[in-house]
Amino acid sequence: QVQLQESGPGLVKPSETLSLICTVSAYSISSGYYWGWIRQPPGKGLEWIGSIYQSGSTHFNPSLKSRVTISVDTSKNQFSLKLSSVTAADTAVYYCARHAQSHGLLWYFDYWGPGTLVTVSS
Amino acid sequence: SYVLTQPPSVSVAPGNTARISCGGTNIGRKSVHWYQQNPGQAPVLVIYHDSDRPSGIPERFSGSNSGNTATLAISRVEAGDEADYYCQVWDTTDDHSVVFGGGTKLTVL
Repeated sequence: QVQLQESGPGLVKPSETLSLICTVSAYSISSGYYWGWIRQPPGKGLEWIGSIYQSGSTHFNPSLKSRVTISVDTSKNQFSLKLSSVTAADTAVYYCARHAQSHGLLWYFDYWGPGTLVTVSS
Repeated sequence: SYVLTQPPSVSVAPGNTARISCGGTNIGRKSVHWYQQNPGQAPVLVIYHDSDRPSGIPERFSGSNSGNTATLAISRVEAGDEADYYCQVWDTTDDHSVVFGGGTKLTVL
């Protein structure tokens, strides 16, 4: 059973960079899927942040693209998220997930981590 | 950018069929995926590619997609089906982007 687990600071100061890591278990991150980040502000809906392939190919939410970096470390079976210049509006539960794809088209998220709450506050 | 529109809430009596809509321009030409989210938990995929069910998802969950509306149907609704439901597509019309609907709260009366 594929498992994902988010890790990183739960509190980030405004204007700083949010950094999270997703560790994947029971599945090789190099085995043909994209890997994505999704967030959910308290009491609100889901918002896709971006997804990365094993090769490093990425797709980003246009509204966040200028502030987002996603990278993959196949040796550690991990991928990571950096979101710069954060504000209170970036306070959310951040999820990592496996992102199914075929022939360059991205589809659904079939395995999710439990999520981690990141609060932006001084 | 592409927009998916869901009703904020749907109510249904136990044993009846709940239908949750997801509207979008020519959504019938896209592949739609649905997630169930219980409070405090991560979303769970319940329907992918319009109407396919992942293993472990009851047959009571079904999906359809045509024209400008995709629909998630839950038959013989149980109290445990009460949750938030989100539709999702991969949009290639402008930027290549994942789009989620705003979510629908299903209440079992």
